[in-house]
Amino acid sequence: DSGVTQTPKHLITATGQRVTLRCSPRSGDLSVYWYQQSLDQGLQFLIQYYNGEERAKGNILERFSAQQFPDLHSELNLSSLELGDSALYFCASSPGPGPGYTFGSGTRLTVV
Amino acid sequence: GENVEQHPSTLSVQEGDSAVIKCTYSDSASNYFPWYKQELGKRPQLIIDIRSNVGEKKDQRIAVTLNKTAKHFSLHITETQPEDSAVYFCAALTQGGSEKLVFGKGTKLTVNP
Repeated sequence: DSGVTQTPKHLITATGQRVTLRCSPRSGDLSVYWYQQSLDQGLQFLIQYYNGEERAKGNILERFSAQQFPDLHSELNLSSLELGDSALYFCASSPGPGPGYTFGSGTRLTVV
Repeated sequence: GENVEQHPSTLSVQEGDSAVIKCTYSDSASNYFPWYKQELGKRPQLIIDIRSNVGEKKDQRIAVTLNKTAKHFSLHITETQPEDSAVYFCAALTQGGSEKLVFGKGTKLTVNP
């Protein structure tokens, strides 16, 4: 157990729907990062939060949004889902911006 | 922004041989370079990392080397074992107010018994 908790582990939903992925960082970590990993692809950076504030944005679609709450857990919202959104979504946390990334076990999203 | 290139994309070796994976990065300000191992369906796990003030770091059968001038770093695995089979990702930590890891596209290593 890495200490980073992601729920749900698996999610199957239809095109056009909206889902929310949740991440609880390791105790004491203030930074949360979201990455998307499509089949046979690398880890694409989506967005980063630090202590409740958005700190960096990557190639995140406008249909996707995220936030970090006062208790430091984060949610990634994916809307108007398309087949191509099917992927593994990983959350990672670190003590601050920078080294010390620890990944959660991921949420496997399947859009049918 | 930072760009990380990783080669090869696939690598097949015989058990006991060495494996080398190479990465280049574009931003000379990057100063931290971790390597992650990802087994099928699992989360990426940190196996070794190196900071820019060090040229080489070793941990048992795994070593990483860094050439700051050439902006490349490499992962070396010696005496490979079947359990080393996985996808390996290199990464570079960006600087400038939004520190985040930018990953290479991964190398699928297969160690044949």
